[in-house]
Amino acid sequence: QKEVEQNSGPLSVPEGAIASLNCTYSDRGSQSFFWYRQYSGKSPELIMSIYSNGDKEDGRFTAQLNKASQYVSLLIRDSQPSDSATYLCAANFGNEKLTFGTGTRLTIIP
Amino acid sequence: DAGVIQSPRHEVTEMGQEVTLRCKPISGHNSLFWYRQTMMRGLELLIYFNNNVPIDDSGMPEDRFSAKMPNASFSTLKIQPSEPRDSAVYFCASSWGAGELFFGEGSRLTVL
Repeated sequence: QKEVEQNSGPLSVPEGAIASLNCTYSDRGSQSFFWYRQYSGKSPELIMSIYSNGDKEDGRFTAQLNKASQYVSLLIRDSQPSDSATYLCAANFGNEKLTFGTGTRLTIIP
Repeated sequence: DAGVIQSPRHEVTEMGQEVTLRCKPISGHNSLFWYRQTMMRGLELLIYFNNNVPIDDSGMPEDRFSAKMPNASFSTLKIQPSEPRDSAVYFCASSWGAGELFFGEGSRLTVL
């Protein structure tokens, strides 16, 4: 079964520090990877997508993909209290559907 | 665009009752997904449609669950009979192909 795994946390990071979220996936053939943010009681929203090895930066967010190690990560620089949420990693295993990890709960401590 | 619209937002029902959840995807999107989210199991894909046709229903828990998409702008997820273990938040999401997935606000179901 194709899976996406994340450390459920909780992960606590001081305000202004770098938050590092990690994810591994089981299918070496996966092509597309996504990070979604979900605030408590809300629906997931896409914050980053990454398709090729290396880093992709968007503002304070950087996604990193290593296909050889089947590993994808999300770095959040200058963490803000508004970044406190659950972060869901997702992978596309070759069709339209996304498989999600169980999420990592991140708390930014003021 | 109004985004993905789900109803009802909250549903409380008793065990054995029929539950119908509704979804209107974003206009122009050709893929529609039903997910279920619980604390224990996270976000699980139940079924998805492409161009109104069910493509993969392997995540549907059992025969008590059924889903339909009669046209491009409407889908339903039905649970009959409902059980307490069906209590969860049910999300509908839509996309264009394998593009970004847009989620509705969810339907929180409580089965007593």
